[in-house]
Amino acid sequence: GAVVSQHPSRVICKSGTSVKIECRSLDFQATTMFWYRQFPKQSLMLMATSNEGSKATYEQGVEKDKFLINHASLTLSTLTVTSAHPEDSSFYICSAYRTTPTQYFGPGTRLTVL
Amino acid sequence: ILNVEQSPQSLHVQEGDSTNFTCSFPSSNFYALHWYRWETAKSPEALFVMTLNGDEKKKGRISATLNTKEGYSYLYIKGSQPEDSATYLCAFIEGGGGADGLTFGKGTHLIIQP
Repeated sequence: GAVVSQHPSRVICKSGTSVKIECRSLDFQATTMFWYRQFPKQSLMLMATSNEGSKATYEQGVEKDKFLINHASLTLSTLTVTSAHPEDSSFYICSAYRTTPTQYFGPGTRLTVL
Repeated sequence: ILNVEQSPQSLHVQEGDSTNFTCSFPSSNFYALHWYRWETAKSPEALFVMTLNGDEKKKGRISATLNTKEGYSYLYIKGSQPEDSATYLCAFIEGGGGADGLTFGKGTHLIIQP
């Protein structure tokens, strides 16, 4: 149990376009979902916390107008990178939390912006 | 900014040997420490969630200890096997609860040589 999927696994887009990444908890309802990103040789860094039915909370330095998060149901959260630029190229990964301390992670999405 | 350090950064171990590595984290305002095992192209797999000073947890050949007063945790692997090759991540949560984002170290990349 506790499987989280993420789609797409890899995306290449042109500068200026928007990209949507989906995160789904497949066999449980997630009260909270988190979005992280990882730049080369760096640790996973928390971008935002997403609670179902409410606005996401963003970490300092993360632009909320650039990284739109929607958590419309207890099993789906989406991250949209708007007007993507090469510096947004990164590895994005989501996690889902239910009632235990453990966070369950998706496999991640590699975004490359040309 | 919370600082979570893992050492060593990478480790080569002969099959059958035992090994261990370290995670250090802030000793104040502790809530929980997570260990994850992350293989390439897969989701990070939760190994342990540790909350109490002096905790020791075990899962097969892998075990972990926790010292919250001095701010460190050790992960041990006994009798390493090729399938143990992965990146091992530790992540810290401050006091406040499990529904908070994780602060990760950069990981220890373990390679088991046959």
